Amino acid sequence: KQEVTQIPAALSVPEGENLVLNCSFTDSAIYNLQWFRQDPGKGLTSLLLIQSSQREQTSGRLNASLDKSSGRSTLYIAASQPGDSATYLCAVNSGGYQKVTFGTGTKLQVIP
Amino acid sequence: SQTIHQWPATLVQPVGSPLSLECTVEGTSNPNLYWYRQAAGRGLQLLFYSVGIGQISSEVPQNLSASRPQDRQFILSSKKLLLSDSGFYLCAWSEDVGEQFFGPGTRLTVL
Repeated sequence: KQEVTQIPAALSVPEGENLVLNCSFTDSAIYNLQWFRQDPGKGLTSLLLIQSSQREQTSGRLNASLDKSSGRSTLYIAASQPGDSATYLCAVNSGGYQKVTFGTGTKLQVIP
Repeated sequence: SQTIHQWPATLVQPVGSPLSLECTVEGTSNPNLYWYRQAAGRGLQLLFYSVGIGQISSEVPQNLSASRPQDRQFILSSKKLLLSDSGFYLCAWSEDVGEQFFGPGTRLTVL
């Protein structure tokens, strides 16, 4: 059974800092991995999708990497802004419609 | 572009009452559709998924059911709500086993 862990559960940083969010998974046989952000009381917004064959994906100030052999993905946020404050979730797809496992998220606060 | 809608946004219902939550997707055909529940402090739990009209797969035994009467419509129902059904319900869609896109969610409180 796939298990997905996100540590730390919460993170507070000053504006402008570069930061890394971590996602670990137990089964390296994955199909893809997706990063989301969730604002309080809102749905999930897709940030990046990394296919199993890829090592990283970039979108603006965001860069996500994937290392299947070590069971890890990182989300790098450059020059953080207060608007980046949200909960960030990773989801690992182990190869089927029903085989998506979500982490419990990292709650990020960027202080002006 | 594709959009996904959910309603209602919030709902307060007494124990034992029925439930109907609706999700619709625009701008795509034959999407895969999903219902998730998010409980406080816990990850998202997949409740149902559907790969086509009338095709529903359930992931966990529960007090809820799902239906897909039209290609881009997904409905979550219950005949009698329990306190434990409270939570944040999210609908999502994807093309094949790919990137998932989520709706705005419905906050359900059962009293």
